[in-house]
Amino acid sequence: DADVTQTPRNRITKTGKRIMLECSQTKGHDRMYWYRQDPGLGLRLIYYSFDVKDINKGEISDGYSVSRQAQAKFSLSLESAIPNQTALYFCATSYRDSRNEQFFGPGTRLTVL
Amino acid sequence: AQSVTQLDSHVSVSEGTPVLLRCNYSSSYSPSLFWYVQHPNKGLQLLLKYTSAATLVKGINGFEAEFKKSETSFHLTKPSAHMSDAAEYFCVVSGNARQLTFGSGTQLTVLP
Repeated sequence: DADVTQTPRNRITKTGKRIMLECSQTKGHDRMYWYRQDPGLGLRLIYYSFDVKDINKGEISDGYSVSRQAQAKFSLSLESAIPNQTALYFCATSYRDSRNEQFFGPGTRLTVL
Repeated sequence: AQSVTQLDSHVSVSEGTPVLLRCNYSSSYSPSLFWYVQHPNKGLQLLLKYTSAATLVKGINGFEAEFKKSETSFHLTKPSAHMSDAAEYFCVVSGNARQLTFGSGTQLTVLP
């Protein structure tokens, strides 16, 4: 079984809909992250969490919110989806003291029409 | 502040020839540096990392990278390309132990 899982893997939705992307990990890591990937831009950080009560905005948090329900679960929500949120979304995890080596999930491809 | 510049968006090599993917970084802190690979429709896999130990870092699948502080570079090399190396490669810097900053990626094509 994969250490970092994301659901759904693919989602097509319409403008204005609320969407939740979920991430679960079995690695026992404290830290979890959400990124989006757009062609030619690499990965950009949306939100990150160093533990259940420590959640921080990343580079591009506008239009997104997150919830850290447990150490192993970190969800990303789009309250009202818009077409420019069409992207590939990755969840990642890391140990507290690993000099930030991160382990990535398989990604969720989101299309907003 | 920290940033990463991958100097080539696309690199094409013939199978069996050397690979060089170039990366320059800036960081206000003593950085950690990483190379990740992303195969089509896959997640990201760590190739190698530098965290202030040996400046020549060996990774998986025959890849290696050399940290050069004076040049602020962390170029990725492989002596002989294989068809399975075709993928997108990301250079990544972490200078403050809280966030990673990704480069924009280099697409490697391996020609038969």
